[in-house]
Amino acid sequence: KQEVTQIPAALSVPEGENLVLNCSFTDSAIYNLQWFRQDPGKGLTSLLLIQSSQREQTSGRLNASLDKSSGRSTLYIAASQPGDSATYLCAVHPLLPVQGAQKLVFGQGTRLTINP
Amino acid sequence: DADVTQTPRNRITKTGKRIMLECSQTKGHDRMYWYRQDPGLGLQLIYYSFDVKDINKGEISDGYSVSRQAQAKFSLSLESAIPNQTALYFCATSSGIGNEQFFGPGTRLTVL
Repeated sequence: KQEVTQIPAALSVPEGENLVLNCSFTDSAIYNLQWFRQDPGKGLTSLLLIQSSQREQTSGRLNASLDKSSGRSTLYIAASQPGDSATYLCAVHPLLPVQGAQKLVFGQGTRLTINP
Repeated sequence: DADVTQTPRNRITKTGKRIMLECSQTKGHDRMYWYRQDPGLGLQLIYYSFDVKDINKGEISDGYSVSRQAQAKFSLSLESAIPNQTALYFCATSSGIGNEQFFGPGTRLTVL
């Protein structure tokens, strides 16, 4: 059964720091891994999608890496800003149906706070 | 304009009432999904549809039904709402298997 774990559950850092969020998954048979941002009570915004054949993707100050064989992904945020405060979710899309459904499997998220 | 929209954004209802949540998309995607999010449980898939004639149950479909009225519209119904269906509901779309999913802004549903 595919399981996704995100550590830490919460992180608080001062503005300007570079930081890394971690995501691990138990089954390497995936199509892709997607990182999302969620603001309190709001929807999910897709940040980066990494296909299983890729090692990393970059968008602005964000860089996501994927090591499929070890079941790990990291989201690197450079020069953090207070506006980066949100919950960050990673999700994998397994090759095989999960509980009979083609679905994303989500981690519980890391709640990030950037202090001015 | 948002690519994936949901109505209503907030709804308070009473136990036993029938309620419908609607989702529309302008992305031209064939695949649409309904998820619910509960604190501490993450996102769980309720139903998904690969095209207008293909609707499938997700992991927590009991107590819910859906209708795919058109490629762009996917509705979720609670036939007789109960308090443990209080949650944040999300609609999502994708263009194909293994492709990026795009989420709507969510509907916060409270069942009293």
